[in-house]
Amino acid sequence: QQQVKQSPQSLIVQKGGISIINCAYENTAFDYFPWYQQFPGKGPALLIAIRPDVSEKKEGRFTISFNKSAKQFSLHIMDSQPGDSATYFCAASLGAGNTPLVFGKGTRLSVIA
Amino acid sequence: EAQVTQNPRYLITVTGKKLTVTCSQNMNHEYMSWYRQDPGLGLRQIYYSMNVEVTDKGDVPEGYKVSRKEKRNFPLILESPSPNQTSLYFCASRKRGSGANVLTFGAGSRLTVL
Repeated sequence: QQQVKQSPQSLIVQKGGISIINCAYENTAFDYFPWYQQFPGKGPALLIAIRPDVSEKKEGRFTISFNKSAKQFSLHIMDSQPGDSATYFCAASLGAGNTPLVFGKGTRLSVIA
Repeated sequence: EAQVTQNPRYLITVTGKKLTVTCSQNMNHEYMSWYRQDPGLGLRQIYYSMNVEVTDKGDVPEGYKVSRKEKRNFPLILESPSPNQTSLYFCASRKRGSGANVLTFGAGSRLTVL
């Protein structure tokens, strides 16, 4: 089974701090790496995604860093806010969207004031 | 509003009593999928469907059945539920071959099997 390993399982960050969540994958054929955000009582929703031809993608306070040689990618949340408190899932897939996403096990982020 | 709708949202049942969780999407998506979410285990795929009448097993299909008779609907069937199927279930859909694997998830169905 293709795996995506995510860490840490839980994370507590002070308001204004940087939240960092890491993921590692095995299959070098993966070519799409999204992050999903899930608030309590809701389904996951796409937050940001990257393809392996770039090393970084930034959308507002959220940045994905991608290291192809190390087979790792990470989510950085700058100036973390209490409203960012949620569970974050990294994922990976291969092909042009015709194969299932493989999800990491999730990271529960709590941003405290 | 484009959405994936699941019902019921909450259900308590007893071992062996057949149940169906419905899923419907209004986005004309070809691909639909069921996941279960358990603490410490993340999202695990149960079944998926690339199109009408085409279904495939995911990572944890045991104890579940699905059908895809219409493009918009993808029900999850538990023929004889057991306590280890107590979980939070999500249905998701996306347009096939869009070049980006963007799933739209439903709000979830919390199932308790006693």
